[in-house]
Amino acid sequence: QLQLQESGPGLVKPSETLSLTCTVSGGSISGYYWSWIRQTPGKGLEWIGYVFYSGTTTYNPSLKSRVTISLDTSRNQFSLKLSSLTAADTAVYFCARGFGADVFDVWGQGTLVIVSS
Amino acid sequence: QSVLTQPPSASGSPGQTVTISCSGSRSNIGRNPVNWCQQLPGAAPKLLIYTNSARPSGVPDRFSGTKSGTSASLAISGLQPEDEADYFCGAWDDTLDAYVFGSATKVTVL
Repeated sequence: QLQLQESGPGLVKPSETLSLTCTVSGGSISGYYWSWIRQTPGKGLEWIGYVFYSGTTTYNPSLKSRVTISLDTSRNQFSLKLSSLTAADTAVYFCARGFGADVFDVWGQGTLVIVSS
Repeated sequence: QSVLTQPPSASGSPGQTVTISCSGSRSNIGRNPVNWCQQLPGAAPKLLIYTNSARPSGVPDRFSGTKSGTSASLAISGLQPEDEADYFCGAWDDTLDAYVFGSATKVTVL
């Protein structure tokens, strides 16, 4: 059974860059879209972007200038980098698989990231 | 403020049917399929309905989705205590060029 697991720091400072990794186990990265989504109490769920297994990326225009999503097929992982952090980036970050660009059928458990000095 | 509008709450007694609406516009629901997720307390979202009305393997047929024009609905029939959760709709938005989620509806089983 496919499982996704996010990993990364739980606390980052304002203006720094957040780096998160999602490890895919029990299945292959090939053939799917791999997304990052975050959730805050105030704004709800927000799609950040995805990387297709070919390496093609698409980002939410509201975050595009600060986001990079990349794939490491040798490790069955994909990663998120979000730069110029502010308190508004404090959220639970989820990684998810998509069998289309817009159908998230498997989710990681989520990781809480707090942006604070 | 979410692009897709859902009622903040809905409730029903065990065995009843609860229906949740998701209102959008031509650029999202009007042109693209709608998906629904269920989020149990403290858990990650789980795909419940995709492409308006399809159910992933393992999702009970008590859950059903429909779409008409710029709105969609999720119905939960035969409501059970374990259905108490947050429910989100989502769809691609062609104008924003991004996937957008609804504001979530908290379902309470009385």
